[in-house]
Amino acid sequence: GQQLNQSPQSMFIQEGEDVSMNCTSSSIFNTWLWYKQEPGEGPVLLIALYKAGELTSNGRLTAQFGITRKDSFLNISASIPSDVGIYFCAGFNAGNNRKLIWGLGTSLAVNP
Amino acid sequence: DVKVTQSSRYLVKRTGEKVFLECVQDMDHENMFWYRQDPGLGLRLIYFSYDVKMKEKGDIPEGYSVSREKKERFSLILESASTNQTSMYLCASRDRGRETQYFGPGTRLLVL
Repeated sequence: GQQLNQSPQSMFIQEGEDVSMNCTSSSIFNTWLWYKQEPGEGPVLLIALYKAGELTSNGRLTAQFGITRKDSFLNISASIPSDVGIYFCAGFNAGNNRKLIWGLGTSLAVNP
Repeated sequence: DVKVTQSSRYLVKRTGEKVFLECVQDMDHENMFWYRQDPGLGLRLIYFSYDVKMKEKGDIPEGYSVSREKKERFSLILESASTNQTSMYLCASRDRGRETQYFGPGTRLLVL
C-alpha cells in the first residue's frame, strides 16, 4: 500500500532541545494527522490539520499543513523525557477509499 | 472520550491454532479497522469495516478474516496462526464522515 515519507526515522536528543520531523507525499491530501505512540500503547492523536497553510499548536507541539498539500511537519519545543515515543504522520484524501495513509514513524528518545 | 478496548494485551499461541482478537468501541462509530505493526514497517491495514456485516480488505489481508456482527465489535481471526503473524495488532474506530481514527491499546501476539 501507499506510504508517506517520514523523516527522520529516529532521533536521540537531550532534554530541553527542540525537535522537528516531517512527512512528504507524492499525492495531495485534504487532511494531515499527527499521532504519538508511547511504548506498549496504541497511537493517540496529537494534532489534526484540515487546510493548506494551517499552523496549529497543542502545548509545546506545533504542526503545519504544507501549502502544496503534499507535506506536513511537526515541531516539539523544549523536549522533556515524557516526549519519548514514536510519532506518526497520516494523510487523508476522500478519494483514497477513505483510508488513512501512514508514515513509518519517527522514534524519539530523550536523554534527561 | 472515545474508548476502544481490545480483549487481550498479550497472547501466546501455537502454530496452527485459530486465534480471535476482539475489539470493542463505545462511541457508536460506524467504521472500524485492524492494523498490524512491525518494527520498521509502520502500521499496515489488514481489514476495515464501514458498517455492521460489511468488510473490506486492506493492504495485507492474507491469512486473516474479520467479523462484524454488532456495531461496537470488530473481530480479527487468524484461521491457522503462523509464526510470521507474530506482531502487535491495533484496532481503531472512526465516526462516519470524519478522518480521525481512535486506537485501542494493542494486542501483542506471539505465535510459537
